[in-house]
Amino acid sequence: EVQLVESGGGLVQPGGSLRLSCAASGFTFRGYWIHWVRQVPGEGLVWVSRVNADGSDMVYADSVKGRFTISRDNAMNTLYLQMNSLRAEDTAVYFCARGGRFCGSSSCYNYYYMDVWGEGTTVTVS
Amino acid sequence: DIVLTQSPDTLSLSPGERATLSCRASQTITSNYLAWYQQKPGQAPRLLIYGASRRATGIPDRFSGSGSGTDFTLTITRLEPEDFAVYHCQQYGISPGTFGQGSKVEVK
Repeated sequence: EVQLVESGGGLVQPGGSLRLSCAASGFTFRGYWIHWVRQVPGEGLVWVSRVNADGSDMVYADSVKGRFTISRDNAMNTLYLQMNSLRAEDTAVYFCARGGRFCGSSSCYNYYYMDVWGEGTTVTVS
Repeated sequence: DIVLTQSPDTLSLSPGERATLSCRASQTITSNYLAWYQQKPGQAPRLLIYGASRRATGIPDRFSGSGSGTDFTLTITRLEPEDFAVYHCQQYGISPGTFGQGSKVEVK
């Protein structure tokens, strides 16, 4: 079964740090982009960050740039989000999600839609 | 950034009825890179549609997506009890992609 399982959420004071993890199973983790998306309960989804398949390229939303760092360990099939200088507005449920991918005869193309999601981990900054 | 506006905010229908949800973009979405997700309370989103009209793996054919340019539609032909949920659209033509605010389909 294709699965993503987040962990590491919790309560932290403003200015503090937290590290989220996302354990993947059931698919070739090293072949996919992986994203972090967050959601304040009752509100919409907000894209946070993504890392490419080999971990060499990372992109961030402006709201977290310089404070959050996305990384991955393909040997451990795990994604991370290091969150520093946390603010009250970072309070949300954080989902990791696999990026969509299409593979043709000679190459694969990665997209910013998400075809597999974890159940999320809650971060509260207060 | 492309802004996506979904309508209506809430749609009240009975099981068996047809649901039509709209997603309008502030500018043309490249290559019709538009996705739809379903989310139930306390659960993660689930991909329904990508590329504006392609159903994701395992999605029943009562779900269909259409549209191009700036106007897109998700249609559920006959609502089943498990279809009452929030639906989100997302454009991914211009990275990193943005989501709409969501539309709730509730039981009338």
